Parts: sequence; C-alpha cells; structure tokens
Amino acid sequence: DGGITQSPKYLFRKEGQNVTLSCEQNLNHDAMYWYRQDPGQGLRLIYYSQIVNDFQKGDIAEGYSVSREKKESFPLTVTSAQKNPTAFYLCASSNYRDPAGQYFGPGTRLTVT
Amino acid sequence: AQSVTQLDSQVPVFEEAPVELRCNYSSSVSVYLFWYVQYPNQGLQLLLKYLSGSTLVESINGFEAEFNKSQTSFHLRKPSVHISDTAEYFCAVRTQGGSEKLVFGKGTKLTVNP
Repeated sequence: DGGITQSPKYLFRKEGQNVTLSCEQNLNHDAMYWYRQDPGQGLRLIYYSQIVNDFQKGDIAEGYSVSREKKESFPLTVTSAQKNPTAFYLCASSNYRDPAGQYFGPGTRLTVT
Repeated sequence: AQSVTQLDSQVPVFEEAPVELRCNYSSSVSVYLFWYVQYPNQGLQLLLKYLSGSTLVESINGFEAEFNKSQTSFHLRKPSVHISDTAEYFCAVRTQGGSEKLVFGKGTKLTVNP
C-alpha cells in the first residue's frame, strides 16, 4: 500500500527539549512538505523540499529544522527556540511539477508542557 | 502572492439538506484549485480539484465545485448531506507552472445534524 506515514501519532515533551517528527513516503514523490495546523488557522507551511539534499523555508520556519537525505524521508525537528510548539503537524508529498495536488500523512499531535 | 478566503468558519445543517461552502481566492496569475476534507484527528484527503477544462468538477461522494474566474470563486456544494459528511473542509490554491506550494484557507467546519 502506497502512502505517507507519520510517527508517532501523539508526542509529549517538556519545554526546552528538541523533538523530531518522522515522515516517510513510498509514493516515489519528489517533493515533501511540513505544515503546522492550529485551530481556526488553517495550514501554515513550515518547510518544503523539492529534491534530495535541498529544502526551502516556508512561512513559519523559525524554531524548526529539517533534513532531506533520502527521497522517502523528511524529518522535522521542533527546537527549543520554537515559542509555541504545541500543535498538529502534517507532512505531505507530491510529484514535482504535477498539479494533481499534495497527499497528506495522518499527522502528529505534539504537546509541549 | 495568492490568498484564499473561506467565508464561513462553521456551517451547521440538517441531514439531507443542501449545503454550500464558500471559497474565494486572490491571485495575479492563473491557478489550480483544490478542496480537501479532514476528519477529526486525521490528515487531509483530496476531495476534488480544478486544473483546466470544465469549470464544474465532481467528487465520487456527491460533492461538486464550480470554478468561476470572473468572481474568483470555487464554492463547494452538495445537494443532500449525510451525517458522515461532518468534517472540516479546506480550500487551497497554487499557481500554474510556478511553485508547488499550496496556500490554504482557514477551513470551514461542516456539522451535519440528524
């Protein structure tokens, strides 16, 4: 079954700790994305990557970091510099230049206390 | 830059009633348009998309949306809703031939009551 997996589904951390969210896809898609979702805010783009070893900041990249060492994987690290990290995080992927839309993973709900 | 406005944050309806979820966009270039649906604590699923051709697009579960270029709108409609349609719906836009980035509206929460 082709798709996008995100793990874990729920994640709890103490303030001041870095945490890494996993995103893996087996759709052979070139591009991958990370979004943050807050109630009533829609989805906001954190980072995206169109090819391996390359990525660009989205609209709210401060306090986050990513890597793209493999085509299938695009992990997101929420650093202690992110002032309000509690949110629902969604990973997505698409074919480069394919207008058909992005495919989303099931999401990870991060709670930082 | 593009922007998307979903005019209603919440839409309550009764089962079997018709519904329209409104979406307007702003862009200086041609765009592709999308509607996504999100059930509680899940990711987004693509519901339907407008890329080119017929301005009326349909999904397999009875939703349809019409692209209106002059009014820069892409409203989502269903003639008769079910309880199972209760979800949040997001309208999104991206430029044709440019970046693959999607710009999302803030979402409309559809609640279907018995």
